[in-house]
Amino acid sequence: GQQVMQIPQYQHVQEGEDFTTYCNSSTTLSNIQWYKQRPGGHPVFLIQLVKSGEVKKQKRLTFQFGEAKKNSSLHITATQTTDVGTYFCAPAGDSSYKLIFGSGTRLLVRP
Amino acid sequence: GAGVSQSPSNKVTEKGKDVELRCDPISGHTALYWYRQRLGQGLEFLIYFQGNSAPDKSGLPSDRFSAERTGESVSTLTIQRTQQEDSAVYLCASSPSGTWNNEQFFGPGTRLTVL
Repeated sequence: GQQVMQIPQYQHVQEGEDFTTYCNSSTTLSNIQWYKQRPGGHPVFLIQLVKSGEVKKQKRLTFQFGEAKKNSSLHITATQTTDVGTYFCAPAGDSSYKLIFGSGTRLLVRP
Repeated sequence: GAGVSQSPSNKVTEKGKDVELRCDPISGHTALYWYRQRLGQGLEFLIYFQGNSAPDKSGLPSDRFSAERTGESVSTLTIQRTQQEDSAVYLCASSPSGTWNNEQFFGPGTRLTVL
């Protein structure tokens, strides 16, 4: 079945440094969603990307969808301690209703 | 309006016992999903409901796992004869409709510990 690889598995940064997580698929994706899960919390939707090459920004977060729609990235500029958590990419699966969650990238931020 | 709620928040049980986990989705959401999340891991899809039918049960790990949903409302995930490997957080999510462009709204989860 469809699988996605998310890298890195985790990253520890100093507050103020940038952070990027990558999501890669072997197949073309119709769309991809990103979620954030705070420690001890539940996943919360961040954004959805649909178009090839799409770039969306939310304050310090920049989301990109690759031109071939096989990969995506999330970049955080100048991390803050509030950014701590696990970031999951979730492309739509082979079926129209299903999301395939990546393994997640855990972000730790040193104050 | 209220978000997705789940109960109990924590459940400790002995190996071999049955457990029932409950999910109350957001009112009006026709799609409902169950996931399992082991400690430090990603989300493992279990089952998808559209209304009260379950067109995709492909993620249920074994026949000890079953789920049902009443109309477009409450869902119950039942695990029979629990095993230690069933220990995990069970997350429920709902969305307005079961299409790929809908975000999923997650509940707080039920942490299941099997002793």
